[in-house]
Amino acid sequence: EVQLVQSGAEVKKPGESLKISCKGSGYSFTIYWIAWVRQMPGKGLEWMGIIYPGDSDTRYSPSFQGQVTISADKSISTAYLQWSSLKASDSAMYYCVRSIGTGACLDYWGQGTLVTVSS
Amino acid sequence: EIVLTQSPDFQSVTPKEKVTITCRASQSIGSSLHWYQQKPDQSPKLLIKYASQSISGVPSRFSGSGSGTHFTLTINSLEAEDAATYYCHQSSSLPQTFGQGTKLEIK
Repeated sequence: EVQLVQSGAEVKKPGESLKISCKGSGYSFTIYWIAWVRQMPGKGLEWMGIIYPGDSDTRYSPSFQGQVTISADKSISTAYLQWSSLKASDSAMYYCVRSIGTGACLDYWGQGTLVTVSS
Repeated sequence: EIVLTQSPDFQSVTPKEKVTITCRASQSIGSSLHWYQQKPDQSPKLLIKYASQSISGVPSRFSGSGSGTHFTLTINSLEAEDAATYYCHQSSSLPQTFGQGTKLEIK
């Protein structure tokens, strides 16, 4: 069974750093891409970027380029999304999602990680 | 960036009704258009891929059509469990983008 299991909810202060994770299982982690999708409270879905764990090829949405870093460690089948300095506007649910390619659908979704940034 | 515009934003429907949601792309995306269902407090779920291809385990009342810039998601004989927000998504070019969502309320 394909599963993407994300790390737990986080509560952080503005200016703090954060790295959330997404562990894949039940499939070959290195031959599928992992995308990250943001959903702000009560709002729609926003595509942030995508990484190929096989060689760490990464593409970002211009809206998120420079704001976050996407990475992966294929040895432990885990992808990451990180911030160096959080803002209140980063408060959202973040989903990792599997995809066979940059031109493909998003077929399996993680359960989401809720990030709350508040002073 | 390709903009996807869904209509309507909200629809209140009765069980057994037929529902059609449209998604228009700001430029041609071929058939690289996918549909997702998100129920409250749940992750989105893939419903239809590449405009009209069905997904294993998704009820047959869900179907998709279209190509180019105009796409539709049809739900035949709506059921109470279909109350959700529906999103279209394009993978034709980066950055991938989503429509703003269509919320279906069951009367």
